[in-house]
Amino acid sequence: EVQLVQSGAGVKKPGESLRISCEASGYTYTKNWIAWVRQMPGKGLEWMGIVFPRDSDVRYNPSFQGQVTISVDKSINTAYIQWSSLKASDTAMYYCARLSDGMDVWGQGTMVIVSS
Amino acid sequence: DIQMTQSPSTLSASIGDRVTITCRASQTISNWLAWYQQKPGKAPKLLIYKASVLQGGVPSRFSGSGFGTEFTLTIDSLQADDFATYYCQQYDNYWTFGQGTKVEVK
Repeated sequence: EVQLVQSGAGVKKPGESLRISCEASGYTYTKNWIAWVRQMPGKGLEWMGIVFPRDSDVRYNPSFQGQVTISVDKSINTAYIQWSSLKASDTAMYYCARLSDGMDVWGQGTMVIVSS
Repeated sequence: DIQMTQSPSTLSASIGDRVTITCRASQTISNWLAWYQQKPGKAPKLLIYKASVLQGGVPSRFSGSGFGTEFTLTIDSLQADDFATYYCQQYDNYWTFGQGTKVEVK
């Protein structure tokens, strides 16, 4: 079974750092890009960036460039997204998804709450 | 940037109804259009890609059509499990989602 499993929810304070992960299984990991998608509370979906596991190529949505860092470790089939200094406005659900035609497999989501 | 506009934002319907959701792109995207269903607290689920191709396992009451800038998602004979929010997404030039259409109980 093809699946993406994300790390657990986190509650952080403004200014703290955070890295969340997305582990893939059930397919050849280096064949598909992985995307990160943000969904703020009660809002729609926004793509943040993508990473290609074969060569670690990363592309960012200009709206998120400089705000997050996306990376991958193909040896353990895991993609990451990280923040060096969280803001309250980073409070959201974050999803990873496999790129195919559209985004055909999604992780279960990781809720990030940033509050003082 | 390509903008995607869905209508309506909310749709009230009853079980058995035929439901149509429209998605308009700000520029032509050929048929690089996907539709997703999302239920509260869950990840989106891919229903349709390339504007009209049904993803495996998706019931045949879902269908998609369109090309260029105008697209529709149709649900024939709405079922209880179909009450959810639906998003279109273009993937011609990176990815952009529509704002969503909530299908609620009438």
